[in-house]
Amino acid sequence: GAVVSQHPSRVICKSGTSVKIECRSLDFQATTMFWYRQFPKKSLMLMATSNEGSKATYEQGVEKDKFLINHASLTLSTLTVTSAHPEDSSFYICSASVREFSYEQYFGPGTRLTVT
Amino acid sequence: ELKVEQNPLFLSMQEGKNYTIYCNYSTTSDRLYWYRQDPGKSLESLFVLLSNGAVKQEGRLMASLDTKARLSTLHITAAVHDLSATYFCAVVTITTSGTYKYIFGTGTRLKVLA
Repeated sequence: GAVVSQHPSRVICKSGTSVKIECRSLDFQATTMFWYRQFPKKSLMLMATSNEGSKATYEQGVEKDKFLINHASLTLSTLTVTSAHPEDSSFYICSASVREFSYEQYFGPGTRLTVT
Repeated sequence: ELKVEQNPLFLSMQEGKNYTIYCNYSTTSDRLYWYRQDPGKSLESLFVLLSNGAVKQEGRLMASLDTKARLSTLHITAAVHDLSATYFCAVVTITTSGTYKYIFGTGTRLKVLA
């Protein structure tokens, strides 16, 4: 149980275009989803926390208009990188949790974004 | 702001040797996670430590938590090549709005040499 999927696993896009990454909890309802960014050989940096049906809470320094997060249902959150640039190339990982049971986060497999 | 530091950042060790990775954090937390990450992959959960003095073991890995010292350790016994990976600790912190988040450590890249 507690499986989180991400789609796509890899995406290459041209500079100036937008790309959407989906995060789904497959066998549980996730009250909260988290989006992380990881640069090569670096740690995970929390970008934002989203709760179903409400606006995401972004970490300091993360551009809300650049990284649009939507948590439309208890099993789906999306991250849209708008007007992508090469510096947005990174490994994006989502996680999901069910707050009332624990602070446990279940991590997705990650999405490798390359902007050319 | 909560800071989580690991040391060493990089560790190269011979098979069969023992070593310890340290995770220090700067503010109060009584819940800490350890994860493993292989290159190009996401995180694999190793341990969750829920209270002061907690100790957990799985195979050649053993983790412990000292909340008073704000320190967790991940001890590797008789290392084997398959343990080569990057190891992260993550500390739970409660935000001012009542939600929670993980703060990840800097990571330790472990390379076990045959």
